[in-house]
Amino acid sequence: DAGVTQSPTHLIKTRGQQVTLRCSPKSGHDTVSWYQQALGQGPQFIFQYYEEEERQRGNFPDRFSGHQFPNYSSELNVNALLLGDSALYLCASSPGPVNEQFFGPGTRLTVL
Amino acid sequence: TQLLEQSPQFLSIQEGENLTVYCNSSSVFSSLQWYRQEPGEGPVLLVTVVTGGEVKKLKRLTFQFGDARKDSSLHITAAQPGDTGLYLCAGDRGSTLGRLYFGRGTQLTVWP
Repeated sequence: DAGVTQSPTHLIKTRGQQVTLRCSPKSGHDTVSWYQQALGQGPQFIFQYYEEEERQRGNFPDRFSGHQFPNYSSELNVNALLLGDSALYLCASSPGPVNEQFFGPGTRLTVL
Repeated sequence: TQLLEQSPQFLSIQEGENLTVYCNSSSVFSSLQWYRQEPGEGPVLLVTVVTGGEVKKLKRLTFQFGDARKDSSLHITAAQPGDTGLYLCAGDRGSTLGRLYFGRGTQLTVWP
């Protein structure tokens, strides 16, 4: 049984570019949450998708957007990248919008 | 401003020593979770505590939720090099089910 998978593993972009990160939830899970973890910090909640809709959102600008597909996989899009967007982006899945979440290995984004 | 404050931020000890990590807040949480994260990987859930005063044990790890549900502690007995990692506490506020608030983490290094 595959756990949460994320792609790509690493990504390097330049300021102003756009990026799309992908996540496949653990089998049987229908809810996906995205977190940003800057170096030396704990993860910060970006948003949560359930039933293909954004259900909750953290304190992130509109440059951060997402999508959930019918197969429960999800994408995180970030437009107009800033240097400060450099971080580890974590996807977590759960069976419904509950608190016990299973995290993927993350995508390391570097913005130059 | 972090909703959850963890201390200490760094801990470096010898194999066989005992240690305690603290997670404190001025806010009440419906539940609190502890995760361990290793370099290049996502956080792995260790335990969830939901009742004030609750104590849970996981082999050499003991987790406690404060009576007022504002704080928690993680105690490791006879630490081993395999315990090395970043320990994160995360809580949910109840009204925002599925949104986790993380502390900054405690980086534990256990030397052989």
